[in-house]
Amino acid sequence: EDQVTQSPEALRLQEGESSSLNCSYTVSGLRGLFWYRQDPGKGPEFLFTLYSAGEEKEKERLKATLTKKESFLHITAPKPEDSATYLCAVQGNTNAGKSTFGDGTTLTVKP
Amino acid sequence: GAVVSQHPSWVICKSGTSVKIECRSLDFQATTMFWYRQFPKQSLMLMATSNEGSKATYEQGVEKDKFLINHASLTLSTLTVTSAHPEDSSFYICSARDPRTSGAYEQYFGPGTRLTVT
Repeated sequence: EDQVTQSPEALRLQEGESSSLNCSYTVSGLRGLFWYRQDPGKGPEFLFTLYSAGEEKEKERLKATLTKKESFLHITAPKPEDSATYLCAVQGNTNAGKSTFGDGTTLTVKP
Repeated sequence: GAVVSQHPSWVICKSGTSVKIECRSLDFQATTMFWYRQFPKQSLMLMATSNEGSKATYEQGVEKDKFLINHASLTLSTLTVTSAHPEDSSFYICSARDPRTSGAYEQYFGPGTRLTVT
């Protein structure tokens, strides 16, 4: 059974204070690891797909990296508008196309 | 980018009535859609996988007679909560896979529907 564990559960940063969110996973044949952002009362917004260990992707202040056991979402010089819940999900080869989601990390960036 | 809409965005209904939620893919054809439920401060709970032209596949513990899913076209899936009760109050979110992407299929989510049963 695929599993995803995200840490920390909550993270409070000052504006400009860089940090990282962790996503540890176990999956039978990784097809893809996904990062989403969810604002309160809204549906998740797709951010990145990572396919294999060593891959990195960037978007503005966000950079996602992947190893064989975990993924990190690095946030560089965050701004208050980066405050949201960040969800990690994996899709394996044996899960009929479904994704397994972690519980998320709620990021709060104070001005 | 792939856009998914949901309607209504919020609905209040009385106990015992049925409510239908629509999920549409606006700029792509979605052969597969997913329905999730989310409780406050919790992650997404997959309810069912909706495949166009065939019966939905429900996750363990989800009552298929209570949560009716119909995927009648390549751009529309509906979730009907039948004989709703207060415990069905929740945030319901649909998502769709964009078949134009290769490899793993990231999901594109609708904005969600807040259901309150009184």
